[in-house]
Amino acid sequence: GAGVSQSPSNKVTEKGKDVELRCDPISGHTALYWYRQSLGQGLEFLIYFQGNSAPDKSGLPSDRFSAERTGGSVSTLTIQRTQQEDSAVYLCASRRTGGAPYEQYFGPGTRLTVT
Amino acid sequence: QQQVKQSPQSLIVQKGGISIINCAYENTAFDYFPWYQQFPGKGPALLIAIRPDVSEKKEGRFTISFNKSAKQFSLHIMDSQPGDSATYFCAVTGGSSNTGKLIFGQGTTLQVKP
Repeated sequence: GAGVSQSPSNKVTEKGKDVELRCDPISGHTALYWYRQSLGQGLEFLIYFQGNSAPDKSGLPSDRFSAERTGGSVSTLTIQRTQQEDSAVYLCASRRTGGAPYEQYFGPGTRLTVT
Repeated sequence: QQQVKQSPQSLIVQKGGISIINCAYENTAFDYFPWYQQFPGKGPALLIAIRPDVSEKKEGRFTISFNKSAKQFSLHIMDSQPGDSATYFCAVTGGSSNTGKLIFGQGTTLQVKP
């Protein structure tokens, strides 16, 4: 079956612009996660969705970052007024109901470059 | 504050050799200790995981050894193959409200020479 898909695969934006990153989880997976991967910070958790609710937003680095999930499926991560330190690969992962907490399936990521 | 420390940062092993990657954690509340494999341009993929009530878990050529008292766990890749060349991440997750939030180590880049 289809895995987690993310779009765009690459995004180059100018400092100060807003960007939207999209994640399509595996069909039927109720849990969805966003992570960020950068050379300086490694792999870090951003936010967790269960259905359309986000009970854990503890990893969002600032109020410029927000995310939503609609219909218990697609999720969008929005970064407002992008800064150069936002450059990273943004990864989405999904997990099925009843799966072990670590059984997360990752998408290929969106590489964001802020110039 | 790094909750998970992974070493070495990079590793070169000859084909057929054993690759060993180590991780140390601080918080004893963690419930699960998974390892992920990542190839360039791809997202991480779950390789193997262990719970703290067992000391070792083996799946094929991959083995996790767990030392609860030392708060350490390691990945052993037996008979390493060039196709194993990738970046490996240890992670921890758990606690009273386990949402599956993964806390990753810094990663180890493994190169297996033919």
